Amino acid sequence: NAGVTQTPKFQVLKTGQSMTLQCAQDMNHEYMSWYRQDPGMGLRLIHYSVGAGITDQGEVPNGYNVSRSTTEDFPLRLLSAAPSQTSVYFCASSSGTGGNQPQHFGDGTRLSIL
Amino acid sequence: LAKTTQPISMDSYEGQEVNITCSHNNIATNDYITWYQQFPSQGPRFIIQGYKTKVTNEVASLFIPADRKSSTLSLPRVSLSDTAVYYCLVGPPTPLVFGKGTRLSVIA
Repeated sequence: NAGVTQTPKFQVLKTGQSMTLQCAQDMNHEYMSWYRQDPGMGLRLIHYSVGAGITDQGEVPNGYNVSRSTTEDFPLRLLSAAPSQTSVYFCASSSGTGGNQPQHFGDGTRLSIL
Repeated sequence: LAKTTQPISMDSYEGQEVNITCSHNNIATNDYITWYQQFPSQGPRFIIQGYKTKVTNEVASLFIPADRKSSTLSLPRVSLSDTAVYYCLVGPPTPLVFGKGTRLSVIA
């Protein structure tokens, strides 16, 4: 009963490095999304996907890329890490895009960029 | 997207009932109202959802008046473990937008 799995749980990067945050779900959910949460703030949507091969931007997409080649996986790529991207990143999934289909969240990846 | 407004913070003593009200004046006909709970260092967790009237589960109750322009999350007899941030969301359409939520502090 894994649900939404995010790896790694913690990561420290240097400015300019690139990396990929992994997100996998085993519930056959079509809808997946990535959020970032800064201290004392709510969650802000980075990118989302309504199904394999389809992605779209959220409210804070700059500096991040995503792809959705399978239903299960939705990786988030930081192209050139910047200190402003230090945050906690959450991945979520749901069975559809209707309002009565709650999202399931992973435990987050805590990312620090020096 | 329907915008929501909820108090930034609330304090309560253990054993009391806590009511958190969320305003969503421009809610659309096909929108549902969903509440999430987030503990420190964890992702948000779904707690309850409703469309109209009242919904109750093992964790909370959700009251929605006829005009649906607001909703109230009710937590019966809170304990210290209910200290968390509570988010009110209204949707669809996707993507869902999380505000800053209500930080509930339960005091012994």
